[in-house]
Amino acid sequence: GDSVTQMEGPVTLSEEAFLTINCTYTATGYPSLFWYVQYPGEGLQLLLKATKADDKGSNKGFEATYRKETTSFHLEKGSVQVSDSAVYFCALVYGGSQGNLIFGKGTKLSVKP
Amino acid sequence: SQTIHQWPATLVQPVGSPLSLECTVEGTSNPNLYWYRQAAGRGLQLLFYSVGIGQISSEVPQNLSASRPQDRQFILSSKKLLLSDSGFYLCAWSRTGFNEKLFFGSGTQLSVL
Repeated sequence: GDSVTQMEGPVTLSEEAFLTINCTYTATGYPSLFWYVQYPGEGLQLLLKATKADDKGSNKGFEATYRKETTSFHLEKGSVQVSDSAVYFCALVYGGSQGNLIFGKGTKLSVKP
Repeated sequence: SQTIHQWPATLVQPVGSPLSLECTVEGTSNPNLYWYRQAAGRGLQLLFYSVGIGQISSEVPQNLSASRPQDRQFILSSKKLLLSDSGFYLCAWSRTGFNEKLFFGSGTQLSVL
């Protein structure tokens, strides 16, 4: 069945370091892909999304490109800040089910000053 | 603006006791409503979704049930909790239609002892 695999955490970086959180997926058809973020004490919120191959989603300095050939949607940011410390979830939506999402396990990011 | 409320934030319950988690949405009408769970070491898993009052779809067989007594109220219940019901529960809503993004509540950390 459809699934999402993202890199294990936790990830600890220094401020201004480059971030990559890997995400690969298995899906029939052509899913839409998402990154959600959960900041400490808050609910999950959508960070960015891409709906078709080669689309690039971007928001708050984060980017991810929908790579159909490698079935990947890696999250990147050129220079992380302490405020980026959160748990990041990669997800895909499978067809015909009212926008239901399949999530990865989440990757906890801690950014040190 | 739309808001979603979920409570309680944390809950510790003995095995065999009942459960009731409540979620309400404000500022929108006829939303799709969802209950997700994240068990330790696993990704978020869709438990139930609802497209209208009294309409509940279950994604996985389990010890839990859901009800939607009002348009913007979604309740997650159990008659007798199991140890395996421990986890982080998230309520979410989306507008009707396919591939609409989800808006999440802040979650309930349930520990069954």
